[in-house]
Amino acid sequence: KQEVTQIPAALSVPEGENLVLNCSFTDSAIYNLQWFRQDPGKGLTSLLLIQSSQREQTSGRLNASLDKSSGRSTLYIAASQPGDSATYLCASDSGGGADGLTFGKGTHLIIQP
Amino acid sequence: EAGVAQSPRYKIIEKRQSVAFWCNPISGHATLYWYQQILGQGPKLLIQFQNNGVVDDSQLPKDRFSAERLKGVDSTLKIQPAKLEDSAVYLCASSRDSLGTQYFGPGTRLLVL
Repeated sequence: KQEVTQIPAALSVPEGENLVLNCSFTDSAIYNLQWFRQDPGKGLTSLLLIQSSQREQTSGRLNASLDKSSGRSTLYIAASQPGDSATYLCASDSGGGADGLTFGKGTHLIIQP
Repeated sequence: EAGVAQSPRYKIIEKRQSVAFWCNPISGHATLYWYQQILGQGPKLLIQFQNNGVVDDSQLPKDRFSAERLKGVDSTLKIQPAKLEDSAVYLCASSRDSLGTQYFGPGTRLLVL
């Protein structure tokens, strides 16, 4: 059974800093890995999706990498802004057509103005 | 394109009462998911539908939870009777097919007293 772990559980940094969020998974046989953002009282917004054959994906100030062999993914946020404050979740998809997504518990990020 | 709609947004009930949640997926999406997100945790898949058939309900507590997707469009999730530990956010998601990107609704926040 896939298990997804996110470190750290919480992070608070001053505005403008670059930061890295970590995600690890126990079963490397994944179809893709996805990073989501969740704001308080809101649903999940997909940020980046990395297919198993890819090494990284970029969107604006966000860059996500995937290393299947080591069971790790990172989300890099450049030049952080207060609006980046949210909970960031990573999720793996086994690709079997069932099981849905397996999520980590998330990293609660606060960017101090 | 309209997103995934859910109602109600909030619900407070007493234990042993029943409650129902409704989800309207993105038009044309064949796959529909219900997730449960307990405070401080990542979402956990409860049930996955492909059109109006159940693909995976292995983590659905079937003694009290039920779900249906009549006509392969809207879906309802019911809890009867509710327990204190059912307090959570219930998220609905949909995708074009079982391997497609999942899009999440805003969720229904349930509090059982």
